[in-house]
Amino acid sequence: QVQLVESGGGVVQPGKSLRLSCGVSGFTFSTHGMHWVRQAPGKGLEWVAGLGYDGTNQKYADSVKGRFTISRDNSKNTLSLEMNSLRVDDTAVYYCAKEDIWWVLASQYYYMDAWGNGTTVIVSS
Amino acid sequence: DTQLTQSPSSLSASVGDRVTITCRASQTISNFLNWYQQTPGKAPRLLIYAASNLQGGVSSRFSGSGSGTNFTLTISSLEPEDFATYYCQQTFSNVWTFGQGTKVDIK
Repeated sequence: QVQLVESGGGVVQPGKSLRLSCGVSGFTFSTHGMHWVRQAPGKGLEWVAGLGYDGTNQKYADSVKGRFTISRDNSKNTLSLEMNSLRVDDTAVYYCAKEDIWWVLASQYYYMDAWGNGTTVIVSS
Repeated sequence: DTQLTQSPSSLSASVGDRVTITCRASQTISNFLNWYQQTPGKAPRLLIYAASNLQGGVSSRFSGSGSGTNFTLTISSLEPEDFATYYCQQTFSNVWTFGQGTKVDIK
C-alpha cells in the first residue's frame, strides 16, 4: 500500500538549517507531484511547498519563500525540504503528501490523497 | 493569495445529527476546493476533491457542494468516528491555502 515516511526533524536554534526527507513506497513516485504541509502546535494546517513529478514547477508559501527549498530524487523515491534561516514560528509537525490529479476536459483538479505521519521540527534557542 | 474562511470554527453535535460546514473564498476559485478530515495526532485524510467528488473509501454520508466562492461540507448523520477537525483547501491559485479548520466535538 501507499506509504510516506518523513524523517529529519529535531530541535534546532533560530537561524540554523535543517533538511527533512520523505521516503515513499507503494506507488510510482516519478509520476506524481509532491508537497509539504505543516501544522504548528495547536494550530491548523499550512501548505508549505510543492513541486511537479519531474522536479519542476516548484512553488512556496509566502512565509517560507526564499528560505525553504523543495526537491526530489526520483531514482531514490525521496522528497526533501531544505530549511534555512529557521525561525521560532517554523516550529511544527511537517507532513509530506502525495498529489493526484483529476482531469476533466481542459481542467486539472489537484488534491493530496496520501500523507505521511509527520516529523516534528522545534526551533528554539 | 486566496484566503479561505470556514464557519463555524467549532460546533458541538450528537451522533445522528446532520452537520454542515461552510468555506468561503476571498476570490472566485471555481470548484478547485478540497475537504480533509483530521483526528488528534493523526495525518489529514482526503474526503472530497473538486468540491463535490467523494474520495474512494470515504463514507457516502459525506458530501460536498458549491462553486465560485461558497462551499459546504455536509455530514448527513454523524457517527462517533466523525468527531474531528475539518479543513477546506483551495488549489485554484499557485499558492495553495487551507481554511482555519472546523472542530466538530461531542455535545
